[in-house]
Amino acid sequence: QQQVKQSPQSLIVQKGGISIINCAYENTAFDYFPWYQQFPGKGPALLIAIRPDVSEKKEGRFTISFNKSAKQFSLHIMDSQPGDSATYFCAASLNSGNTPLVFGKGTRLSVIA
Amino acid sequence: KAGVTQTPRYLIKTRGQQVTLSCSPISGHRSVSWYQQTPGQGLQFLFEYFSETQRNKGNFPGRFSGRQFSNSRSEMNVSTLELGDSALYLCASRQGASYEQYFGPGTRLTVT
Repeated sequence: QQQVKQSPQSLIVQKGGISIINCAYENTAFDYFPWYQQFPGKGPALLIAIRPDVSEKKEGRFTISFNKSAKQFSLHIMDSQPGDSATYFCAASLNSGNTPLVFGKGTRLSVIA
Repeated sequence: KAGVTQTPRYLIKTRGQQVTLSCSPISGHRSVSWYQQTPGQGLQFLFEYFSETQRNKGNFPGRFSGRQFSNSRSEMNVSTLELGDSALYLCASRQGASYEQYFGPGTRLTVT
């Protein structure tokens, strides 16, 4: 049973455009939703995270939008750059982060000039 | 502050052998988690250790085991290796009361 579903699997965006990656979760007890960025040959790096008590969080060009009623959250990358080309993973956990992260399957983003 | 370090970075083993991977967490972090990453299954949780005690365990066979030392460094062991154990093994650390997990670069294990 996949508890966090991520889409799309791959995404190609023009430089300067907006990249949008979506995730849906099933367990309403999840209370922490991070996004990770992974470059080839590297481990995942924490990008931005949100708790369910807010609907949006922005850090630089990266924004998480959270819809508790729909059980969905998304990552928006504004002004996408070739350096943003990487694989992005959404994840969720519960009990104030004291349970393991459950990851989506990942989205491979390619930003082309 | 130094990040999470994992050794070795690459490993090639033969079916039936065993392997031990090592992880040193960020200084001050007492929780260490291990994940397996494969193209087909993605990132899957193996186990978490906190203050030398296993706190959570994923759905992996008993061939996968781990431990944590008093300095928070952790090791994971896989016995009787199978071809399907080929994967990137990732270690993540966090402070005990913090949500945020920070990953190391991983150990790429290839089983032939």
